[in-house]
Amino acid sequence: AQSVTQLGSHVSVSEGALVLLRCNYSSSVPPYLFWYVQYPNQGLQLLLKYTSAATLVKGINGFEAEFKKSETSFHLTKPSAHMSDAAEYFCAVGSGGYQKVTFGTGTKLQVIP
Amino acid sequence: DTEVTQTPKHLVMGMTNKKSLKCEQHMGHRAMYWYKQKAKKPPELMFVYSYEKLSINESVPSRFSPECPNSSLLNLHLHALQPEDSALYLCASSQDGTAGEQFFGPGTRLTVL
Repeated sequence: AQSVTQLGSHVSVSEGALVLLRCNYSSSVPPYLFWYVQYPNQGLQLLLKYTSAATLVKGINGFEAEFKKSETSFHLTKPSAHMSDAAEYFCAVGSGGYQKVTFGTGTKLQVIP
Repeated sequence: DTEVTQTPKHLVMGMTNKKSLKCEQHMGHRAMYWYKQKAKKPPELMFVYSYEKLSINESVPSRFSPECPNSSLLNLHLHALQPEDSALYLCASSQDGTAGEQFFGPGTRLTVL
């Protein structure tokens, strides 16, 4: 079975501050890991994905995430928050050869001017 | 073309109506998905089609009936829905049936009266 846990349903940061959204995974096989962003009343957009290549993954809009097997973590970071980053962020896990991707419960990011 | 399109954007229906949601992609993807998303919740997988065959049905009630007429099209037929079925219905596609990147459409906002 595979699952992800996102710590913190709401995160608030000031504009220009570091963004850190936490995700821990559980998987019995090497996982595929994803971060998606969802703006209000829209579909999900892929920010980045880990597929067992480099452990530091760079994504769109200045986001990156580091896969740490020893900590079973895949936290999302961005050095400097913009107002446009305010959205819901979902961590997700899938396994190779397995069609089902399991989403975390989401973290709503608020950016304060 | 890296887009998944969904129609209609909004749908209001009564409990005795029959309606259909439509999803289309032209990326040559061979796996397509239906998700249901309630407010402030993550997407919940409903169905997966892989190479135009239903491969996953997450114990969805029979009032939801998926159809995959060809590799580019995915329909969700709705009949005798309940008010609790009101949600955002998201379609996604991926290159194949493995847990790779999924591309999401903008969703159909369904309201059942």
